[in-house]
Amino acid sequence: SQQGEEDPQALSIQEGENATMNCSYKTSINNLQWYRQNSGRGLVHLILIRSNEREKHSGRLRVTLDTSKKSSSLLITASRAADTASYFCATAFTNTGNQFYFGTGTSLTVIP
Amino acid sequence: DSGVTQTPKHLITATGQRVTLRCSPRSGDLSVYWYQQSLDQGLQFLIQYYNGEERAKGNILERFSAQQFPDLHSELNLSSLELGDSALYFCASSERVRNTIYFGEGSWLTVV
Repeated sequence: SQQGEEDPQALSIQEGENATMNCSYKTSINNLQWYRQNSGRGLVHLILIRSNEREKHSGRLRVTLDTSKKSSSLLITASRAADTASYFCATAFTNTGNQFYFGTGTSLTVIP
Repeated sequence: DSGVTQTPKHLITATGQRVTLRCSPRSGDLSVYWYQQSLDQGLQFLIQYYNGEERAKGNILERFSAQQFPDLHSELNLSSLELGDSALYFCASSERVRNTIYFGEGSWLTVV
């Protein structure tokens, strides 16, 4: 499968704690993106990191990319109950042209 | 609001029937993607169009077809529907290929 795989599948933390989720993939990528999905809703783009970048920040989000390990991580700092959602990584592979492949997601629950 | 509009939001139909899902991309976006999300299969890439032409094909069944019209809106046609086709169908768009993709809210299809 060319899909990325998120880890863990589910994560439950207390409000104020940090949440880290990981994404692993198998072949060379052009870029990797993280999305959030609230139950039954559309996916919302969070951040894009290109293959020549190692780290990006956006507000409380920090994304890292290690192309040698073919993995990325998403860190949400000082989590809030509103961060409860599923988080997906999407990869655009160099050998597949145009499509983005999504992983199975990490379900994050932030307990108030 | 991502700017991607999908209709209908909900659809219930019987097995063997045919339905058409419609998508209007964000203003200025040339690329349209269709995804299927079900509980057991996750988010599956179906097909991508760029400026009216098919650019990439994923796990799209032969019973399904799509097209992108000159005004850049797209339709996904699902025929000979089976119970297993019940899912949330997303349309997404991007300005070009491999850019950030923006998702609509999805069309819930229930086949009974």
